[in-house]
Amino acid sequence: GNSVTQMEGPVTLSEEAFLTINCTYTATGYPSLFWYVQYPGEGLQLLLKATKADDKGSNKGFEATYRKETTSFHLEKGSVQVSDSAVYFCALSEMTGGFKTIFGAGTRLFVKA
Amino acid sequence: NAGVTQTPKFQVLKTGQSMTLQCAQDMNHNSMYWYRQDPGMGLRLIYYSASEGTTDKGEVPNGYNVSRLNKREFSLRLESAAPSQTSVYFCASRGQGKLNEQFFGPGTRLTVL
Repeated sequence: GNSVTQMEGPVTLSEEAFLTINCTYTATGYPSLFWYVQYPGEGLQLLLKATKADDKGSNKGFEATYRKETTSFHLEKGSVQVSDSAVYFCALSEMTGGFKTIFGAGTRLFVKA
Repeated sequence: NAGVTQTPKFQVLKTGQSMTLQCAQDMNHNSMYWYRQDPGMGLRLIYYSASEGTTDKGEVPNGYNVSRLNKREFSLRLESAAPSQTSVYFCASRGQGKLNEQFFGPGTRLTVL
């Protein structure tokens, strides 16, 4: 079945460091890909998305490119801030009844001042 | 717009007690979902409803029942709570189409003693 694998955390960085969180997927067909972010005590919220190969999603300085040849959707940010500390989830959306979403296990990011 | 709302925010039950978690959305979305989030396991789908009047099992349905009361509301019931059901529960909804992301409620933190 479809699945999402993302790097284990926690990831600890200093402010202004470069961030990469790796995400790979297995899927039949052509899923949509998403990154969600969860701040402490809150539900998940969409960070960015991409719907086809070579699409680049971007938001708040984060970006990720849909790579079909490597089945990857790595999240990057050039300069992280303390306020980026959160848990990040990679996800894919299946085109089956109800458009179920498959989530990775999540990667916790800590950014130190 | 309130988005997705959930009640209660916190609940403590004794083993064997029953309760219903409520969820409502005001975005006119067709699809609604119930997830549980446990440390290190990401989000696991319990049940989903692709449209009003339909419900389907997800990855971990045992011990739960759901009701899609109308287009807005989707409730999750624990008939006889067990300690293994201690978790954070999230409700989500989604509009039609491959492009659409899920919108999450703030979660219910449930402890079963």
